[in-house]
Amino acid sequence: EPEVTQTPSHQVTQMGQEVILRCVPISNHLYFYWYRQILGQKVEFLVSFYNNEISEKSEIFDDQFSVERPDGSNFTLKIRSTKLEDSAMYFCASSVQGSHYGYTFGSGTRLTVV
Amino acid sequence: KNEVEQSPQNLTAQEGEFITINCSYSVGISALHWLQQHPGGGIVSLFMLSSGKKKHGRLIATINIQEKHSSLHITASHPRDSAVYICAVPSYGGSQGNLIFGKGTKLSVKP
Repeated sequence: EPEVTQTPSHQVTQMGQEVILRCVPISNHLYFYWYRQILGQKVEFLVSFYNNEISEKSEIFDDQFSVERPDGSNFTLKIRSTKLEDSAMYFCASSVQGSHYGYTFGSGTRLTVV
Repeated sequence: KNEVEQSPQNLTAQEGEFITINCSYSVGISALHWLQQHPGGGIVSLFMLSSGKKKHGRLIATINIQEKHSSLHITASHPRDSAVYICAVPSYGGSQGNLIFGKGTKLSVKP
């Protein structure tokens, strides 16, 4: 069964450093998403991406965040200058058409900012 | 914007028991997701449903669009079913938009 692949599975970074989280969505999917889950809290939407541009972003997705699809297969989330409160599990997801045809989630990247 | 409520927050059951987890939402939708999150943190999609009922093994999901309510049932529960079960709906209703997640129901099945 097709999978969404995320790398790395766990990343530890110093506060203020830049991190790039990587995702390989399912090849025929058109919509891509990043979500995050702070420990003990519910999953929150960060950003959606369609047709090579951001289609929607939440208030969490401020100027320190950016997304890219650099080569037609990878989908990346960059955090420019990490803060302690960015420590969370970050999930990538993709779908064929919006939310109607079901999401496939990656297994997540656990980001720890120290 | 949609709001999602799940109940119960925590559920402890004995192996073999029938489990029901409930989800209510505020804005009409055309699709609802049930997801499973294991202690390691990964999320797995269980169901996406838009009407009626779906069954996969011992899992059954139902939805009542008029009442804006869905239930996830587990028959003959097993310790390996222990996980957090999460309901998610499109944030602006309909079938578009991003997902809004419930807080999850933490299920623990004792042998």
